[in-house]
Amino acid sequence: KNEVEQSPQNLTAQEGEFITINCSYSVGISALHWLQQHPGGGIVSLFMLSSGKKKHGRLIATINIQEKHSSLHITASHPRDSAVYICAPMNYGGSQGNLIFGKGTKLSVKP
Amino acid sequence: DVKVTQSSRYLVKRTGEKVFLECVQDMDHENMFWYRQDPGLGLRLIYFSYDVKMKEKGDIPEGYSVSREKKERFSLILESASTNQTSMYLCASSFSPTSVEQYFGPGTRLTVT
Repeated sequence: KNEVEQSPQNLTAQEGEFITINCSYSVGISALHWLQQHPGGGIVSLFMLSSGKKKHGRLIATINIQEKHSSLHITASHPRDSAVYICAPMNYGGSQGNLIFGKGTKLSVKP
Repeated sequence: DVKVTQSSRYLVKRTGEKVFLECVQDMDHENMFWYRQDPGLGLRLIYFSYDVKMKEKGDIPEGYSVSREKKERFSLILESASTNQTSMYLCASSFSPTSVEQYFGPGTRLTVT
């Protein structure tokens, strides 16, 4: 049973395109992470949000707790945005700050 | 800035060897986590620790053990490495049990031959 579903799994875009990655989850959560993983493995936290919308540069994350859905948007995409983006909700039922992870969306932005 | 470091970026070991992966964080975080990441499966929690000498099993603890003798250091031990433990291993830490935000290390890509 997949508690976190991300779509699409793979995404190829041209530089400058607007990109949306979606995340749906089936459990009650207290907050949600969007993570970025570049080739080579390192993971960076982009956003942590529990309601509404957050913006950081060209990145925007939204969450609708009632609909159990979050989106990550990238405006004016650039080849350096190429990475795997991972949605990670924090499960209410999880103990000690555990996250549950989506399988990731692999984004490739072509120049 | 929080820094989480892992002892090796790449490691190659033979089947049956005992393997130690070490993780150190420099921000006095209470919680530390070990994950493995495999293609198509995403990140899966192996063990976590919420205090020195305290540990709890995650989703896939079989074949692994952990040690946390000091607050800043969390070690993952493969008692007898097997080829199905070839994977990317990621360590993370968070400030407190109620803190959602986790900080990740760079990862160790382990190959067991």
